[in-house]
Amino acid sequence: EAQVTQNPRYLITVTGKKLTVTCSQNMNHEYMSWYRQDPGLGLRQIYYSMNVEVTDKGDVPEGYKVSRKEKRNFPLILESPSPNQTSLYFCASSLARGKGADTQYFGPGTRLTVL
Amino acid sequence: AQKVTQAQTEISVVEKEDVTLDCVYETRDTTYYLFWYKQPPSGELVFLIRRNSFDEQNEISGRYSWNFQKSTSSFNFTITASQVVDSAVYFCALSTSGTYKYIFGTGTRLKVLA
Repeated sequence: EAQVTQNPRYLITVTGKKLTVTCSQNMNHEYMSWYRQDPGLGLRQIYYSMNVEVTDKGDVPEGYKVSRKEKRNFPLILESPSPNQTSLYFCASSLARGKGADTQYFGPGTRLTVL
Repeated sequence: AQKVTQAQTEISVVEKEDVTLDCVYETRDTTYYLFWYKQPPSGELVFLIRRNSFDEQNEISGRYSWNFQKSTSSFNFTITASQVVDSAVYFCALSTSGTYKYIFGTGTRLKVLA
């Protein structure tokens, strides 16, 4: 089954404790992206990756890191989480046949709470 | 700058009513792509439609239809004969050929009452 998976689905942590949210897709998609969803703000793009070793900032990259060492995986790293990073996070992937052309498919979401 | 505006924060309708969700976008690019996604109460994001800037034909899929008007920079979504299962948050999104970024609107929460 074609899918985007995220782990963990739920996470409660404390300020400053480094964490990683994993994202994996089995569709051989070149493009992968991370979003956060907050009430009243919709989805905002954090980082995206056009292919292995190619990443770029979205609209809200502060406090986050990413890496793309393999095509299927795109982990999101919070090196020193703060309470304002409490949010619902989505990973997405798509083909990259043209800039911005392709439909993104989303993972199930990770609900993160930073105390 | 690119922007997507969904001015309707929440809409409530009674089952079987028709409802239109508005989406207004801003971009200077001539080639761009518009999307609608549905987020039901279970939380996942479900793709509904993708439209490119060169195709202004309206589209109908069952009870769903989309009206794309470049003249008013709008990409509105109509649900005909709404059902309780249509209750969800609906997001409109924009991506352009000049960037790999996707811009989402703030979403419209639709409540369909039985």
